Amino acid sequence: DTEVTQTPKHLVMGMTNKKSLKCEQHMGHRAMYWYKQKAKKPPELMFVYSYEKLSINESVPSRFSPECPNSSLLNLHLHALQPEDSALYLCASSQEGGRGVGQPQHFGDGTRLSIL
Amino acid sequence: GESVGLHLPTLSVQEGDNSIINCAYSNSASDYFIWYKQESGKGPQFIIDIRSNMDKRQGQRVTVLLNKTVKHLSLQIAATQPGDSAVYFCAEAPYSGNTPLVFGKGTRLSVIA
Repeated sequence: DTEVTQTPKHLVMGMTNKKSLKCEQHMGHRAMYWYKQKAKKPPELMFVYSYEKLSINESVPSRFSPECPNSSLLNLHLHALQPEDSALYLCASSQEGGRGVGQPQHFGDGTRLSIL
Repeated sequence: GESVGLHLPTLSVQEGDNSIINCAYSNSASDYFIWYKQESGKGPQFIIDIRSNMDKRQGQRVTVLLNKTVKHLSLQIAATQPGDSAVYFCAEAPYSGNTPLVFGKGTRLSVIA
């Protein structure tokens, strides 16, 4: 069982909907990450949070809005998504390092997102 | 055998044999490397890592080898089992603790019972 918990496991939404993905870890990690993964591809980094502050945004469209309410929780708010945004969204955490990036990163099992 | 093409590279091995999964990296400044295993419907699972001051590290049934001269990383799995069937990703970090991981394309390991 993964120590990073993501909910929901599956999400289907229309292009006009607003929804949120949630991630929780209780390992005391202070760096948390969002990745996007398309089928048969490696994970692509979207955001990095360090000590609840956004430290890296990999030029992600504004229809994806991350939030870190506290050191254990990470949210990804979704609004006006496009069909090409359908993917597996992975959360990860690690001990904090420089720029908030630490190693190794521990992943959750992801949310499978489908945009209709 | 191993095939590379438009699809994910695949390595097929007989149960009980040893598996070797290879990864080439391009950034000579990378000094931290990780192997992840991703089973269908799950997130990447940490297997083993190695820093550039080492050339070999062993875990339970797994060994990672690092050849900095030719920028090559390999994962060896001893006595491969059906449960080892998954996609394996190598990842590198160009600067220790300072830059996000860069993932390789991945290799699918299929274990034949």
